[in-house]
Amino acid sequence: EPEVTQTPSHQVTQMGQEVILRCVPISNHLYFYWYRQILGQKVEFLVSFYNNEISEKSEIFDDQFSVERPDGSNFTLKIRSTKLEDSAMYFCASSGEGMSQYFGPGTRLTVL
Amino acid sequence: GQQLNQSPQSMFIQEGEDVSMNCTSSSIFNTWLWYKQDPGEGPVLLIALYKAGELTSNGRLTAQFGITRKDSFLNISASIPSDVGIYFCAGLASGYALNFGKGTSLLVTP
Repeated sequence: EPEVTQTPSHQVTQMGQEVILRCVPISNHLYFYWYRQILGQKVEFLVSFYNNEISEKSEIFDDQFSVERPDGSNFTLKIRSTKLEDSAMYFCASSGEGMSQYFGPGTRLTVL
Repeated sequence: GQQLNQSPQSMFIQEGEDVSMNCTSSSIFNTWLWYKQDPGEGPVLLIALYKAGELTSNGRLTAQFGITRKDSFLNISASIPSDVGIYFCAGLASGYALNFGKGTSLLVTP
């Protein structure tokens, strides 16, 4: 069964550094998303991406964040100048024509 | 986003018992999704509901999209130890952003 994959599974970085989180969505899906989950809290929407552009973003997704689909398979989230409060699980998700979103296993980001 | 109230916050049951959890909102949703999350992993989609009043089953799981479009419930029948995890409801009002509840933590004892 096709699934969303994410790399790395765990990323440790120093405050102020840039990180890139990578995702490979399900191959025939057209809509891509990033969510985050701070430890012990609910999953929060960051951004959605369709047809090579951002279709919706939350208040969390400020100028520190950017997304890119550099080729036909990868979808990336870049966080510039990381802060301590960026520490969280980051989930990539994708969906086809329907609204069912399928999530990857996540990347645990730890900012020291 | 709209506030989703998910209850109960946690449940501690014996194997074989049935479980019921629900989500309510003050706002209307067009889609309700139910996910299960194991520790350190991503949410796994269990059931998707697209129409008010829709009742859908997936094995021992049954979920319904409330007729007012402001609520949904998930039932698990004859629980087993591997049902342990956190169950999240998520609603989609418009656009693309899923709005998640805070989760119901389920513990099942043999």
